[in-house]
Amino acid sequence: AQSVTQLDSQVPVFEEAPVELRCNYSSSVSVYLFWYVQYPNQGLQLLLKYLSGSTLVKGINGFEAEFNKSQTSFHLRKPSVHISDTAEYFCAVNRAGANNLFFGTGTRLTVIP
Amino acid sequence: NAGVMQNPRHLVRRRGQEARLRCSPMKGHSHVYWYRQLPEEGLKFMVYLQKENIIDESGMPKERFSAEFPKEGPSILRIQQVVRGDSAAYFCASSAPGLAGAGEQFFGPGTRLTVL
Repeated sequence: AQSVTQLDSQVPVFEEAPVELRCNYSSSVSVYLFWYVQYPNQGLQLLLKYLSGSTLVKGINGFEAEFNKSQTSFHLRKPSVHISDTAEYFCAVNRAGANNLFFGTGTRLTVIP
Repeated sequence: NAGVMQNPRHLVRRRGQEARLRCSPMKGHSHVYWYRQLPEEGLKFMVYLQKENIIDESGMPKERFSAEFPKEGPSILRIQQVVRGDSAAYFCASSAPGLAGAGEQFFGPGTRLTVL
């Protein structure tokens, strides 16, 4: 079975500062990895995904993530955050080709003016 | 192109009542997934359906919960005899055939169920 650990439940960061949201996964098979963002009272929106190929994945809103197989990590980064990035961020994994996603417990990013 | 639609957005029920949550997938999508998000937790998979078929219900509680996706109309998640522990946000996602495993699941805004 797959599982996802998001080590930080809350991350406060000042506007225009860089941020890294951590995600580690465990799986005995090949996996696909995803980051979703959830704004208050809204559904989830896909930020980026890793399926194969280059380990550095670029997504929307200036976010990127790097797949590190040896460390089983898929950390999300942004070099300079905006107030509008304040939201809940979820890391998710599924077995390659499977249908259901396994989500982490989420990291609440708060950007401070 | 409308996204995934869920209604109602908010639902309040008293203990023992029934809750019906509806999900209309994106146009052209025939696969529907239901997830539950308990307070302060991530989303947990409940069930995966295609038109008129339940493909995977490994995440559904054994009692009181059921789901359907009829040939016509929205997918329905039904919770009978609700209890306070059912209070959560229920999210529906949809995908086109063959793409779900590649992360192409599109999520609705969710239904927030409150059981009094």
